[in-house]
Amino acid sequence: QVQLQESGPGPVKPSGTLSLTCAVSGGSISVGNWWMWVRQPPGKGLEWIGEMYPSGSTHYNPSLRSRVNISLDKPKNQFSLRLSSVTAADTAIYYCAKKPSGIYSIDSWGQGSLVTVSS
Amino acid sequence: DIQMTQSPSSLSAVVGDRVTITCRASQDISNHLAWFQQKPGKAPKSLIYAASSLQSGVPSRISGSGSGAEFSLTITSLQPEDFATYYCQQYYSYPITFGQGTRLEIK
Repeated sequence: QVQLQESGPGPVKPSGTLSLTCAVSGGSISVGNWWMWVRQPPGKGLEWIGEMYPSGSTHYNPSLRSRVNISLDKPKNQFSLRLSSVTAADTAIYYCAKKPSGIYSIDSWGQGSLVTVSS
Repeated sequence: DIQMTQSPSSLSAVVGDRVTITCRASQDISNHLAWFQQKPGKAPKSLIYAASSLQSGVPSRISGSGSGAEFSLTITSLQPEDFATYYCQQYYSYPITFGQGTRLEIK
């Protein structure tokens, strides 16, 4: 069973860049899965941020596309999220997740990482 | 973007009840519909994919149905651990979108 674990540097200042890493264990990041980020503002619903396939193909939420980048680090078996020009509206719990290719949906989630944007 | 609308937004039930949550898509999404359960302070848990297929380890009292634009999640014989918030999600087209959530509370 694949396990996912988010990590990040902690609070981010407004206009700064949010960076998170998701370490993958129990499976290879190079296998045919979409590696995804989802966020949830405190007390609110879930928002899909984007995803990346091992081939390099990516899909991003149009509402965030100009500020977001997802990348895979195959040697380290992890993937990352960078979100630039953050504001208080980007304060959320950020989850990494895995979605097998095909008709399948997300089948594994990280435990989540709360990122607060504050001066 | 495809809009996902869940109803009701919240409902109260007792242990042993049968409950149904509905999810409507703003357009045909075939069967590319998933359901997730989330408890306070926890990550979502994947329950169902392809509208009606159970993820590994999900109890059989939970089921999903529907196709096209209307879907439902049914829980028969509610257990204490079923009280949570439930989200539907479409993955038919990008951007992937979620419903607003349905909070299932103990009456």
